Amino acid sequence: EAGVAQSPRYKIIEKRQSVAFWCNPISGHATLYWYQQILGQGPKLLIQFQNNGVVDDSQLPKDRFSAERLKGVDSTLKIQPAKLEDSAVYLCASSYLAGGPETQYFGPGTRLLVL
Amino acid sequence: AQSVTQLDSHVSVSEGTPVLLRCNYSSSYSPSLFWYVQHPNKGLQLLLKYTSAATLVKGINGFEAEFKKSETSFHLTKPSAHMSDAAEYFCVVSLTGFQKLVFGTGTRLLVSP
Repeated sequence: EAGVAQSPRYKIIEKRQSVAFWCNPISGHATLYWYQQILGQGPKLLIQFQNNGVVDDSQLPKDRFSAERLKGVDSTLKIQPAKLEDSAVYLCASSYLAGGPETQYFGPGTRLLVL
Repeated sequence: AQSVTQLDSHVSVSEGTPVLLRCNYSSSYSPSLFWYVQHPNKGLQLLLKYTSAATLVKGINGFEAEFKKSETSFHLTKPSAHMSDAAEYFCVVSLTGFQKLVFGTGTRLLVSP
């Protein structure tokens, strides 16, 4: 089966610009996650969707980050305006169900550099 | 709150020698524990998971981990390292019944010929 797809793979922007990332989860997976992985750290959950509803966005910096999952399939994560500290790898993951220790499948990530 | 501590930021082994990556966890309730591996420029891949069944968990590529409640540990082992094992390894905890994963800071495994 096809894995989690993400684009772009790399993005370089200047601070105060905006940027958007796209994720296509594995077909049939109801739950989608966005993580931020800063260099030298483990991934940190930003937001979790189940179908097209938000389950957890407690660690999403809502003044500059937004995410949506229209129609319960693809998702986009946006940063506006970007700050230097947003430089990181943004990982998308999906799982079949929520509410249990379901395996999360990760995409290759989008590496963002903010100058 | 759940958390994990990976005790080594880097581990170096020679090919063919055993691998030990150490992880301690903190959880008020029954945790689920995972090990994920991340190869350069690739996505995270699940190696194995513990979900309150057998305490010795076998994963892919010859890796296994043992859940020790008395020591709050979940160390990852492999009898014989291969060059292809060189990667970043993450110990991960979640509260059983919930999907939120909390990652450790990672251990970089270096394998020399």
